[in-house]
Amino acid sequence: DSGVTQTPKHLITATGQRVTLRCSPRSGDLSVYWYQQSLDQGLQFLIQYYNGEERAKGNILERFSAQQFPDLHSELNLSSLELGDSALYFCASSVGVAVYNEQFFGPGTRLTVL
Amino acid sequence: GDSVTQMEGPVTLSEEAFLTINCTYTATGYPSLFWYVQYPGEGLQLLLKATKADDKGSNKGFEATYRKETTSFHLEKGSVQVSDSAVYFCALSDQTGANNLFFGTGTRLTVIP
Repeated sequence: DSGVTQTPKHLITATGQRVTLRCSPRSGDLSVYWYQQSLDQGLQFLIQYYNGEERAKGNILERFSAQQFPDLHSELNLSSLELGDSALYFCASSVGVAVYNEQFFGPGTRLTVL
Repeated sequence: GDSVTQMEGPVTLSEEAFLTINCTYTATGYPSLFWYVQYPGEGLQLLLKATKADDKGSNKGFEATYRKETTSFHLEKGSVQVSDSAVYFCALSDQTGANNLFFGTGTRLTVIP
């Protein structure tokens, strides 16, 4: 158990809908990362937050957004869903943003868009 | 941009066989390099890492050496076990100071008794 929790575990929805994925980082971790794992794109970095502020963006679509709240949990919002958004979404957390700060991954949320 | 190229799988080995999974990278500077492992139904776990050239990361019998001259970070284990069956990802850290990871495509290893 990494200490990172993600809810829900599974999500099935239809095209055009909007969903919210939730992540609670390990106690004491200030940085949260979101990654998408899909069959065609592999594992890709989406976005990072540090202590409530957006710090870095990767290959995140404009239809996707995220935020980190004062209690440090984070939510990833996916809207106008398409079939290709079906993937496993991982959250990771670390104490800080230095390279030696190990990232701990949650178990993931599996999103299926029908 | 920075990227990681990883040996295609799947790889099937008999128990106690020698394992090598190749990983090469492209980066403009000196990234840190990682191997992550994903067991069935679980998230990724850090297996080992190396932060500078010629560093050797090791854990649970796995080893990888950061080779700057060949831009490689191959994963090796002398004697695999059934419990090593998993997907292995090579990754590098970005160099903007944000500590984000860029992953290879993953290599699925199956070890048969």
